[in-house]
Amino acid sequence: NAGVTQTPKFQVLKTGQSMTLQCAQDMNHEYMSWYRQDPGMGLRLIHYSVGAGITDQGEVPNGYNVSRSTTEDFPLRLLSAAPSQTSVYFCASSYSMGSGAPYEQYFGPGTRLTVT
Amino acid sequence: SQQGEEDPQALSIQEGENATMNCSYKTSINNLQWYRQNSGRGLVHLILIRSNEREKHSGRLRVTLDTSKKSSSLLITASRAADTASYFCATDDHVGKPLVFGKGTRLSVIA
Repeated sequence: NAGVTQTPKFQVLKTGQSMTLQCAQDMNHEYMSWYRQDPGMGLRLIHYSVGAGITDQGEVPNGYNVSRSTTEDFPLRLLSAAPSQTSVYFCASSYSMGSGAPYEQYFGPGTRLTVT
Repeated sequence: SQQGEEDPQALSIQEGENATMNCSYKTSINNLQWYRQNSGRGLVHLILIRSNEREKHSGRLRVTLDTSKKSSSLLITASRAADTASYFCATDDHVGKPLVFGKGTRLSVIA
């Protein structure tokens, strides 16, 4: 199994440009999430999905869109990039979520995004 | 908003010493987990403790949970240079929502 994969690994955008960060998992996990990590801020949840066709907002959703057309893929779209979106983005998946039953999240290697 | 707060923010120890990191959280939880992040990499799950457990061991890792104080600690015994990483606690407190992570403790183990 490849686990959780993310592309690209690095990206530089100019302010106002749009792009899509790709995330895929081959573990048949229903639940997928996007986090951003900034120095001193830990991980903050952007959007998440509990299954194909179902998405919801996290703590910092503004400026980002997601969709979940298949179980495997969960792309994150930046609509109009801003310098405040410079960050490292992590995608994660799990077989369960917040039902009380224990679960662990599997993380991708991250995408390092710089917006100039 | 973030649930867990790790303490200290940074810790530097010699190889062979024990490292202790603490996590405090605000609301009731179902489970608490610890993750490790090596520089430039994604997070890796280390250990999970349920809300009805008080202590758990995994190799050189020991986790305790005190739900009355809303706190957890992670002890790494006989640390190695390879343990150098950031360590995050994460809580599962909301039905149907992903884990909430703290800001992490940066551990440096000096050989």
